Amino acid sequence: EAQVTQNPRYLITVTGKKLTVTCSQNMNHEYMSWYRQDPGLGLRQIYYSMNVEVTDKGDVPEGYKVSRKEKRNFPLILESPSPNQTSLYFCASSPLWSGVTYEQYFGPGTRLTVT
Amino acid sequence: TQLLEQSPQFLSIQEGENLTVYCNSSSVFSSLQWYRQEPGEGPVLLVTVVTGGEVKKLKRLTFQFGDARKDSSLHITAAQPGDTGLYLCAGPKTSGSRLTFGEGTQLTVNP
Repeated sequence: EAQVTQNPRYLITVTGKKLTVTCSQNMNHEYMSWYRQDPGLGLRQIYYSMNVEVTDKGDVPEGYKVSRKEKRNFPLILESPSPNQTSLYFCASSPLWSGVTYEQYFGPGTRLTVT
Repeated sequence: TQLLEQSPQFLSIQEGENLTVYCNSSSVFSSLQWYRQEPGEGPVLLVTVVTGGEVKKLKRLTFQFGDARKDSSLHITAAQPGDTGLYLCAGPKTSGSRLTFGEGTQLTVNP
């Protein structure tokens, strides 16, 4: 089954404790992206990657890191989480053959709470 | 800044009613996408509209892209409880490989 998987689905952590949220897709998509979803603010892009070893900042990259060492994986790293990073996070992928539309295939989400 | 504004923010209707939600911008988009998100899940792509004036139908859902490619609408005929969800529009920014999303319309269809 074609899908984007994220782990963990739920995470409660404390301020300053480094964490990684994993994302994997099995559709051989070149483009991968991370979003956060907050009430009243909608979906905002954190980072994206056009291909292996190519990453770039989205609209809200502060406090986050990413890496793309393999085509299928795109982990999101919070080196020192803070309470304002409490949010619902989504990983998404897109085939670049979709051209300029960048149709996104989303994972199921990770609900992160930082206390 | 390319912003997408969706209206209404919330919509609660009875089963069988028709409805239209809107996605508007002051900027031109090369294409617009519509997604539906159900509680506890990620958004799922419904349709992409590319050509100004384009109309696409997906069963009881009709999507239209404005002639000037600055707006889009989603019309649902005879809504059903299964249509309940958050409807999001999104479009690629002219800067290239990034998407901007509207804040969404939360639709509730009551039996």
